Order: sequence, then C-alpha cells, then structure tokens
Amino acid sequence: QVQLVQSGAEVKKPGASVKVSCKASGYTFTGYYIHWVRQAPGQGLEWMGWINPKSGGINYAQRFKGRVTMTRDTSISTAYMDLSRLRSGDTAVYYCARAGDANGYHGYWGQGILVTVSS
Amino acid sequence: DIQMTQSPSTLSASVGGRVTITCRASQSISSWLAWYQQKPGKAPKLLIYKASSLESGVPSRFSGSGSGTEFTLTISSLQPDDFATYYCQQYDSYPLTFGGGTKVQIK
Repeated sequence: QVQLVQSGAEVKKPGASVKVSCKASGYTFTGYYIHWVRQAPGQGLEWMGWINPKSGGINYAQRFKGRVTMTRDTSISTAYMDLSRLRSGDTAVYYCARAGDANGYHGYWGQGILVTVSS
Repeated sequence: DIQMTQSPSTLSASVGGRVTITCRASQSISSWLAWYQQKPGKAPKLLIYKASSLESGVPSRFSGSGSGTEFTLTISSLQPDDFATYYCQQYDSYPLTFGGGTKVQIK
C-alpha cells in the first residue's frame, strides 16, 4: 500500500533552516509528483510547491520562492523540503502529499511533522 | 491567485442528517476541484476529485457537484465518523489554493 513517512518533529530558532524528509513506498516513486502543504496551528492548508521525482523539476508557490528548496533522492524514494530563514510564522505542520493521476489533487499524505520556530 | 471561499465555516448536524457544504472560486476553475476531510491531529484525506469523482474507498454517502465557480459537497446521511473539518481545493492554476474549511459538529 502507498505510504509516505516523514521525519520527526523539529524545533528551530528564527533565522535557521529546516530540512524535512518524506520517504515513499508502495508505488513507483518517479511516477507521481510530490507536493508539500503546510498548516499553521488551528489554521487552514497552504500549498508550498511540488517536485517531479522523475526529472527533479520543481514548481514553488511565489510566496516561498527564495526560501524553499525541494529535492529528491530516487535511490531511496525520498523527497525533501528545505525551508530557510525561518520565522515564527513558519511554525506549522508540514505535510508531503502524493499527487493523483492529475497533478493537482493529493491522494496520499504523509503523517505530517511539526516544525516549531521559537527563540 | 484564485480565492476559494467555503460556507458555512461551521455547521451543526445530527447523525443521519443531510449536510451540504458550498465552495466558491473567485474565477472559473472548470471542474478542477477536490474535497478533503481532516480530523484533529491527522492528515487530510481525499474524498472527491474533479468536482464529482469519488475517490476509491470513500463511502457513497459523499458526493460532489458543480463546475465553474460554484461547488458543493454533500453527505447524504451523516455518520459519527463524519464529524470533521472539510476543505475544498482548486487545481486549475498555480498556486494551488484551499478553502478556509468547514467544521461539521454534532448537533
């Protein structure tokens, strides 16, 4: 069965960077885009961008450009999201999600990881 | 960016009742709309894609309709497991955007 397993919770200081991982299993990793979506405490969902695991191509939401980097390692079926220059407003649960047959909706989600930015 | 507006933001309903949630897009998105269910502390779960296509394994009491700018999610007979927050999401254009959510509470 399809599974996306994310790394553990992180606590970072303002100005630092965080790199979270998302290990895929149960399907062909290069066959579906991986998206990253975040959710601040008590808030709604915010799309950050996607990576094409096959080509490495990326598409970032404008508001994260310059701060986010999405990469992948096909040898271990893992996608990564690196967010730099963290601020308190980046405190959120970060989810990876696998796209559906159309690259837009998200049929499978990781469990989410809480990134806390605090001095 | 396309704005997605859900209504109501909260609703109270009884088990067995019929629930309808509306999602409006700030511009036409054809049928490129998905619906998700999220329970506290859990990741969202896909219910509906392409406005009305039921995701595999999702109970048939969930249905979606609409096109263009107005969409609805209907739960025909609310079950105890359905009390959750529901989000719509457009994937017509980037950035992908979500509605603000509708929390379905027990009446």
